[in-house]
Order: sequence, then structure tokens, then C-alpha cells
Amino acid sequence: DQQVKQNSPSLSVQEGRISILNCDYTNSMFDYFLWYKKYPAEGPTFLISISSIKDKNEDGRFTVFLNKSAKHLSLHIVPSQPGDSAVYFCAASLAGGNKLVFGAGTILRVKS
Amino acid sequence: DVKVTQSSRYLVKRTGEKVFLECVQDMDHENMFWYRQDPGLGLRLIYFSYDVKMKEKGDIPEGYSVSREKKERFSLILESASTNQTSMYLCASSTSGTGYREKLFFGSGTQLSVL
Repeated sequence: DQQVKQNSPSLSVQEGRISILNCDYTNSMFDYFLWYKKYPAEGPTFLISISSIKDKNEDGRFTVFLNKSAKHLSLHIVPSQPGDSAVYFCAASLAGGNKLVFGAGTILRVKS
Repeated sequence: DVKVTQSSRYLVKRTGEKVFLECVQDMDHENMFWYRQDPGLGLRLIYFSYDVKMKEKGDIPEGYSVSREKKERFSLILESASTNQTSMYLCASSTSGTGYREKLFFGSGTQLSVL
């Protein structure tokens, strides 16, 4: 039973437009959420995170929104660039826990 | 820059063989992890370790064991490789402390094929 779900396997966006990647979770005890980005032949790298006490966190072109009542978070990339083409993983952590639960990933393709 | 190094990029083994995957990190991180990545399933945690000689089972530990004799090194062992263990294996490390432990630094991965 997947506790973190990314229901869109892939997403294609035109360069300069907004990319929105979605993630749903089932465990209300998760208190910290992260996005990782993975290029082919490389390991995932940390992108941005958000604590459950916030509903938004912004870092440059990347913004993560958290809706606790809906158990939903989203990653917005504005404007999208071809170099953003990668697999994006959503991950969640339990309070006091040291391990992450990952979603299946979404492949983002940004077309120039 | 933090570096997590996995000993092999590609590995081909036969069913029943004992397989060792090695991982070394150079940032004195307390926590180390082994994940496997499969299409449609994302990253699933196999084992993790908070300290030398300590280990804890993750979500899918069956068929695997680990060893952490030194802080910088975390080994994953497949006691008797099977075809369903064909996968991309990713090692990661993190430091402890609020806001840091979840920020994992990953190696480039080992693509293991079991024939």
C-alpha cells in the first residue's frame, strides 16, 4: 500500500510555462515533505522541502504548496526550463523518524 | 561537496550468487540508507543505519542484509541473488538533527541484473 502517491507518471510542458507536479499522501502523521529531482545515470538530489506547520515554501523558481486537509502537496516550477527535464520524486517523513517514504515519481519533459 | 560513492555502476550476476554492493560517504554522516528503485514503484527502503554496527530494517528487507563496520561505509549483501532482485540500487547518507536528517545525499546508483 503506497502511502505517498504521484498519480501522473509523466508531464510535458512548454519552456517558459508553469510545471505543476502533484503528490498525495495517506498518513496524517507525516510532518515533513520533500521533493527530489533525478537525472538519468545520477542519484536523486534534494530540491525543496516543507514542514507541516507551513502551507508554502519558495526557493527561486520552485514553490511547494501543502494542503494538509486534502493530504496533498504540489511543486510549481515557474518558468520551466529544458534543464528541468528530469524525474521528480515526492517524499514524506514521520515525526521523529529518520526514514523517508517516496512516491513513484513523475517524469517532467520541458520542450523548447 | 558531499560525495556518496557506489563501487559499481553496472553489475551482472547469476541466480544464487552472493552479491556485495559497497557504498562510501565522505562527509562523516551518521545515517546511511539503501534503497532500490523500480519503475512505477519509486524508491523503496531496504535497510538503514544510524551508527556504526547499528542497522534497522526498512520496508523491503527480505533477501538482503547489511554491514556497517565503519562510519563511512555501508554494504548491502544479497545472500542468494534472485531474478526479482534485478533493480537499480541507491545508497544515501544524511546527517542527524532537525531539518537535516531527511535531506539525503545519494550515490549514482548500481544497476544490478540477476540472470
